[in-house]
Amino acid sequence: ILNVEQSPQSLHVQEGDSTNFTCSFPSSNFYALHWYRWETAKSPEALFVMTLNGDEKKKGRISATLNTKEGYSYLYIKGSQPEDSATYLCAPKNSGAGSYQLTFGKGTKLSVIP
Amino acid sequence: KAGVTQTPRYLIKTRGQQVTLSCSPISGHRSVSWYQQTPGQGLQFLFEYFSETQRNKGNFPGRFSGRQFSNSRSEMNVSTLELGDSALYLCASSLGQGTVEKLFFGSGTQLSVL
Repeated sequence: ILNVEQSPQSLHVQEGDSTNFTCSFPSSNFYALHWYRWETAKSPEALFVMTLNGDEKKKGRISATLNTKEGYSYLYIKGSQPEDSATYLCAPKNSGAGSYQLTFGKGTKLSVIP
Repeated sequence: KAGVTQTPRYLIKTRGQQVTLSCSPISGHRSVSWYQQTPGQGLQFLFEYFSETQRNKGNFPGRFSGRQFSNSRSEMNVSTLELGDSALYLCASSLGQGTVEKLFFGSGTQLSVL
C-alpha cells in the first residue's frame, strides 16, 4: 500500500486568488500519477494522468507538474472561481503488483469564497 | 454516451445482512474498479475486474466480493454486514487496455448499516 500525502487538508481562498496544493508519494517503482476533482454530490472527475518526470499538464486554469525523482506533484489553480470549489485527489500508481489499482490520498478540500 | 451507472443510490441495511451493489460501465469499457469512501479516509481500492476476471484485490476481508458479467456490468457483494461497512461505494470504468487511463466514476451507492 502506497503512502500518499496531500497538503493542505483544506483551504479557503478568495475568488480571483491563485493557489496550489501538494501530493507526495513514494518515488520508487513510480508508474503514473492521477489527479481528480470531486465536487460535492457529484462523481470524481479525472483531471490529469502524468507519467514522466518534469511532465506538465494544463486544462484551462488548472495545471499540474510532476517530480518523480523526489516523489511529488503540484496542482495549480490560477484565478480561482467559486466553481473550482471541490476536493482535489491525487492517486499514484506503481509498477509493482497491483498495477491496476490506484491509491488515493485523502484530498485537499478547496473552498473559493465569492 | 451514457456515463457509469450505479444502483441503488441509497441503501439501508442492518448488521448481519448482505447487500449487492450494481455498476454498469460506459459502453465499450471492459474494466470496472470498486472503491470505498468512509469519513476521514481516502478512497480505498476494493477490486478491479477486466473481462470477467479479477485482476487486483485490495486489502479487504473476504466478506467483500465481486464479479463481472460478459457485458462488463459488475456487482459487488458484502456479506454479514458490520457497522463499519457504512460508506459510499464508488465504481469506476475504463477501457482497461493500459494502466495510464483515466477512470470514469459513477455517482456511488451510499450504504448505511444500522
